[in-house]
Amino acid sequence: NAGVTQTPKFRILKIGQSMTLQCAQDMNHNYMYWYRQDPGMGLKLIYYSVGAGITDKGEVPNGYNVSRSTTEDFPLRLELAAPSQTSVYFCASSSGIRETRYEQYFGPGTRLTVT
Amino acid sequence: SQKIEQNSEALNIQEGKTATLTCNYTNYSPAYLQWYRQDPGRGPVFLLLIRENEKEKRKERLKVTFDTTLKQSLFHITASQPADSATYLCALSYYGNNRLAFGKGNQVVVIP
Repeated sequence: NAGVTQTPKFRILKIGQSMTLQCAQDMNHNYMYWYRQDPGMGLKLIYYSVGAGITDKGEVPNGYNVSRSTTEDFPLRLELAAPSQTSVYFCASSSGIRETRYEQYFGPGTRLTVT
Repeated sequence: SQKIEQNSEALNIQEGKTATLTCNYTNYSPAYLQWYRQDPGRGPVFLLLIRENEKEKRKERLKVTFDTTLKQSLFHITASQPADSATYLCALSYYGNNRLAFGKGNQVVVIP
């Protein structure tokens, strides 16, 4: 199993550009999450999904959009990139089965710089 | 809103000693409290989960305690090794809610 994969690993965007961060998991997990992590700060939840076709906002959703058309994929869209979106983005998944649904598996992250 | 506090200062510890980290939270107690390890440039890795009705959980050289009266969890690494050097994150979740709230993490440096 590859676990949770994310592409790209690094990206530099100009202000106002858009991009999609890709996330895929091969563990057949129902739950998927997007976080951002700023230096010295904890992980902040952007969006999450409890299954294909169902998404919901987290703590910091402004400036982002998500979709979940399959169990495996959970892309994060940035529209009109701003310097405040410079961060490291992590995708995660969890099984959704009893208490193990709370154990999250993380991807390697995408380091995004907006200039 | 819920606040999760972890020591911002790195813990420097001699190899072989026990490293102890603290996670304090405010307001209501979580149903589950988890600890993750994060290495530089990598995503967090799940280590241990403890439920609100459990006092202690162990896994190999790791031990977690959970005191809902003090609103605190302690994370211990016994017989610490240089390979244990990393940042350790505390995370809380609640019944009926699959989301995690993370602390900022506490760095551990094990000195050979």
